[in-house]
Amino acid sequence: KAGVTQTPRYLIKTRGQQVTLSCSPISGHRSVSWYQQTPGQGLQFLFEYFSETQRNKGNFPGRFSGRQFSNSRSEMNVSTLELGDSALYLCASGLVGNEQFFGPGTRLTVL
Amino acid sequence: QKEVEQNSGPLSVPEGAIASLNCTYSDRVSQSFFWYRQYSGKSPELIMSIYSNGDKEDGRFTAQLNKASQYVSLLIRDSQPSDSATYLCAERAGTALIFGKGTTLSVSS
Repeated sequence: KAGVTQTPRYLIKTRGQQVTLSCSPISGHRSVSWYQQTPGQGLQFLFEYFSETQRNKGNFPGRFSGRQFSNSRSEMNVSTLELGDSALYLCASGLVGNEQFFGPGTRLTVL
Repeated sequence: QKEVEQNSGPLSVPEGAIASLNCTYSDRVSQSFFWYRQYSGKSPELIMSIYSNGDKEDGRFTAQLNKASQYVSLLIRDSQPSDSATYLCAERAGTALIFGKGTTLSVSS
């Protein structure tokens, strides 16, 4: 069974721009979660989607948003990028209430 | 606010030794815990999940959960240089995972 895929793998943007990241979960997984990983803060939860509905949201500003499609694929969007948004963005999928499996991540650099 | 604490390390052990990684958590009602391994430049990989008190073994890995003392540990037997990585402890909080900052393990040959 194929794992979680994320595109693009690397991205360079400038301050003020916006970015959209994509995630395709493991086949059959309907829960998709997004995390941000930085050296200083570690891995932090952004939000979780299930059946196209956001069920949970972490403590991030409204510039961070996401959505899920009927095929369980998910996108996250960051608007008005700031230097501090430079991070590894990880998507994880899972069955409800069970383990989460991470994709390779998207490395975002904001200049 | 839920917190997961880990010693950042580095924890250095010789090849063949037992590596012991520890994690404490703040929420007494937490039920589900996970250990992930993350190699430098890679994404986290799930190693073990544990839901009930006691030990859970999988190959060279043993996870231990003590809910009364609110700690979770991971033992790696016969440590190999390929085990050198950062180990992340996580607890489930609703549909989210709350992670510790990770412990870096270095296994020398």
